[in-house]
Amino acid sequence: AQRVTQPEKLLSVFKGAPVELKCNYSYSGSPELFWYVQYSRQRLQLLLRHISRESIKGFTADLNKGETSFHLKKPFAQEEDSAMYYCALCGGPGGYNKLIFGAGTRLAVHP
Amino acid sequence: DVKVTQSSRYLVKRTGEKVFLECVQDMDHENMFWYRQDPGLGLRLIYFSYDVKMKEKGDIPEGYSVSREKKERFSLILESASTNQTSMYLCASSLYHRGTGELFFGEGSRLTVL
Repeated sequence: AQRVTQPEKLLSVFKGAPVELKCNYSYSGSPELFWYVQYSRQRLQLLLRHISRESIKGFTADLNKGETSFHLKKPFAQEEDSAMYYCALCGGPGGYNKLIFGAGTRLAVHP
Repeated sequence: DVKVTQSSRYLVKRTGEKVFLECVQDMDHENMFWYRQDPGLGLRLIYFSYDVKMKEKGDIPEGYSVSREKKERFSLILESASTNQTSMYLCASSLYHRGTGELFFGEGSRLTVL
């Protein structure tokens, strides 16, 4: 079964501390994985995708097929990073882009 | 900018009422989706559509139906609302192209069923 697991409901850190939001997945094929973010009173939006291997707002995520993980990392957290973060797996055939989301992790960055 | 608009931001309905949630996108996207967002459960797919008049069940379609008569509009229908359908409903759209993974979301419709 296709599944995305985010084990932490809440991650609380101080400004300047490193951040790692965990994501594990279950998928039989070649996964396509994404991180989405929802800031307070804003729409859910794409943060980054693993195929791009990019850094967005200082965040990176590496796909580890051996550990079936796609953890989101940032070396120095900022207060504006406080938001809800969702890991997502593209599970549909063809071009449907049907995404399966994890339960989400709320990141709280304190001054 | 892609714009996905959900016409109703907040609704309060009574048990047994029929509820319509409307969603319109202005970027000529083929795919449209309805998710519900609940704390501790994340986003769960209710239905999606990849073309006009085409629809596919998601993971939790029970108690819901959808309509896509025009490419830009995707409606979610609760035939007889129940209290366990109290939730935040998110509409999204995307291009029909595997790998982009970019869904554009609306602001959400918060439904309370009394």
